Amino acid sequence: AQTVTQSQPEMSVQEAETVTLSCTYDTSENNYYLFWYKQPPSRQMILVIRQEAYKQQNATENRFSVNFQKAAKSFSLKISDSQLGDTAMYFCAFFDYKLSFGAGTTVTVRA
Amino acid sequence: SQTIHQWPATLVQPVGSPLSLECTVEGTSNPNLYWYRQAAGRGLQLLFYSVGIGQISSEVPQNLSASRPQDRQFILSSKKLLLSDSGFYLCAWSPGQGMNPYGYTFGSGTRLTVV
Repeated sequence: AQTVTQSQPEMSVQEAETVTLSCTYDTSENNYYLFWYKQPPSRQMILVIRQEAYKQQNATENRFSVNFQKAAKSFSLKISDSQLGDTAMYFCAFFDYKLSFGAGTTVTVRA
Repeated sequence: SQTIHQWPATLVQPVGSPLSLECTVEGTSNPNLYWYRQAAGRGLQLLFYSVGIGQISSEVPQNLSASRPQDRQFILSSKKLLLSDSGFYLCAWSPGQGMNPYGYTFGSGTRLTVV
């Protein structure tokens, strides 16, 4: 079974600052996908960013970027210029034949 | 475009009562379908997934069951609810066949409280 670990239960960041969320995973597969999902207070799951394991270039979506270290099995998410609307729970997820989630990190953006 | 519908949004049920949560997907055929449960402040636990009509795989033993009577319909059921069944239930879908590079698309969820 795949294991996804998010070691930071909660993070707090000042508006306009940068916050980095960590995620590690365990797999013996070589081809897979990694995702970060956002769950705001509405509890709707929203895809933030995805990374294909065979691509070395780190994915970027506007203010969201990842640092993918395949050998270290690490997949961190950086939120730049944090906004109040970024307040949410963030889940790291690993996909080979099914999607497995980490326990989540609650991010609070302070005004 | 594809859409996923999940209902009801909120449900309060007494212990020992039955449960039926429904999920439907529009705009696609032969999707893979999933039921997840999220305890308060916790991550998502995969309960069931289905790759076709009548094909159900269970990830964890529990008081719940799932059925897929039609291609784009996925139902989560229980004959007798327990207090521990309380939680937030999410349905999701992904395109069938092969590795999906776009993850899953989730419904809006059902908040179940067993009293």
